[in-house]
Amino acid sequence: EAQVTQNPRYLITVTGKKLTVTCSQNMNHEYMSWYRQDPGLGLRQIYYSMNVEVTDKGDVPEGYKVSRKEKRNFPLILESPSPNQTSLYFCASSLSLKETQYFGPGTRLLVL
Amino acid sequence: GDSVTQMEGPVTLSEEAFLTINCTYTATGYPSLFWYVQYPGEGLQLLLKATKADDKGSNKGFEATYRKETTSFHLEKGSVQVSDSAVYFCALRAPQRAGNMLTFGGGTRLMVKP
Repeated sequence: EAQVTQNPRYLITVTGKKLTVTCSQNMNHEYMSWYRQDPGLGLRQIYYSMNVEVTDKGDVPEGYKVSRKEKRNFPLILESPSPNQTSLYFCASSLSLKETQYFGPGTRLLVL
Repeated sequence: GDSVTQMEGPVTLSEEAFLTINCTYTATGYPSLFWYVQYPGEGLQLLLKATKADDKGSNKGFEATYRKETTSFHLEKGSVQVSDSAVYFCALRAPQRAGNMLTFGGGTRLMVKP
């Protein structure tokens, strides 16, 4: 089944403790991206990647890192999480630039 | 900058009622427009899209027409079902933006009662 998977689905952590949220797609998509969803703000893009080793900032990249070492994986790294990063995070992928994006199920993060 | 404004919810309807969720946008050039739906506990799914003025996107009984003169992309359905209860997001992709970035509205929660 074609899908985008994220792990973990739920995470509670404390301020400053590094964490990684994984994202994987099995559709051989070139383009992947991360969004965060906050009430009343819709989804805002954090980072995106147009191919292996090619990443760029979205609208809200501060406090996040990404890497794209393999085509199928695009982990989101929070090296020193803060409470304002408490949010619902979505990974998305598309076959290529400008194609329809497919979203993962989301990761709900709480930073205490 | 680009922005999408949609009506605040929740919108509560009875089954078989007519649905309209308003969406207006601000963007330079000719953006593509989308409606995504998010069912409880799930990720976003593309519901429909339109890529140029006067295009009508349709899927699962939902429709939306790209109106450039009013910069709108309102979502409609003639007869809603309980299973349509979800959060609906209007979004645009501006051609001049880098990457495949979507700009989303704040979402509208729809609740359909039997």
